[in-house]
Amino acid sequence: DAGVIQSPRHEVTEMGQEVTLRCKPISGHDYLFWYRQTMMRGLELLIYFNNNVPIDDSGMPEDRFSAKMPNASFSTLKIQPSEPRDSAVYFCASRRGTGAGTGELFFGEGSRLTVL
Amino acid sequence: DQQVKQNSPSLSVQEGRISILNCDYTNSMFDYFLWYKKYPAEGPTFLISISSIKDKNEDGRFTVFLNKSAKHLSLHIVPSQPGDSAVYFCAARHQAGTALIFGKGTTLSVSS
Repeated sequence: DAGVIQSPRHEVTEMGQEVTLRCKPISGHDYLFWYRQTMMRGLELLIYFNNNVPIDDSGMPEDRFSAKMPNASFSTLKIQPSEPRDSAVYFCASRRGTGAGTGELFFGEGSRLTVL
Repeated sequence: DQQVKQNSPSLSVQEGRISILNCDYTNSMFDYFLWYKKYPAEGPTFLISISSIKDKNEDGRFTVFLNKSAKHLSLHIVPSQPGDSAVYFCAARHQAGTALIFGKGTTLSVSS
């Protein structure tokens, strides 16, 4: 089975531009998570979805960030307008439903964003 | 306020020796703890986990210890190998939620 697929792998843009990051979760996984990795804050949760519905977006930094999951196989994270402090690696992860188990997440390879 | 803390940003160990990575947490409602390993330009991958009702879990060279009274867990790697050089993230799951909360990570360097 294919893992979590993210695109683009690298994005360099100028301040003020719109950025869209994309994610395809593992088939059959009904939870999808967006994390951001920076040196200062490590891996921080931005938002997660269950069955395409946003459950917790309290980690989204501000209104410039938005995320959607129009169907079970696709999600986007959009930043508009982008700022240099948004430079980070953005990870998408997915997992099966809750219940017994460790809650293990499966991560994509990440999208490295640089805002100049 | 960080609920999961990895206070050592880096650790250097010689090949064949033991590596001990530490993690502290503040929320007593966490029910599962996990360790992830991350190589450069790759996503984190699951390494080992432990339930809050246990105090030890072992998988090959990797052992995780949990001390609930101290709200502390540690990952032991014995013997350490150069291929273990990576960033290690400690993560915890809240009983009521499904998102993992991660620490900032510890970069392990194993020299041959």
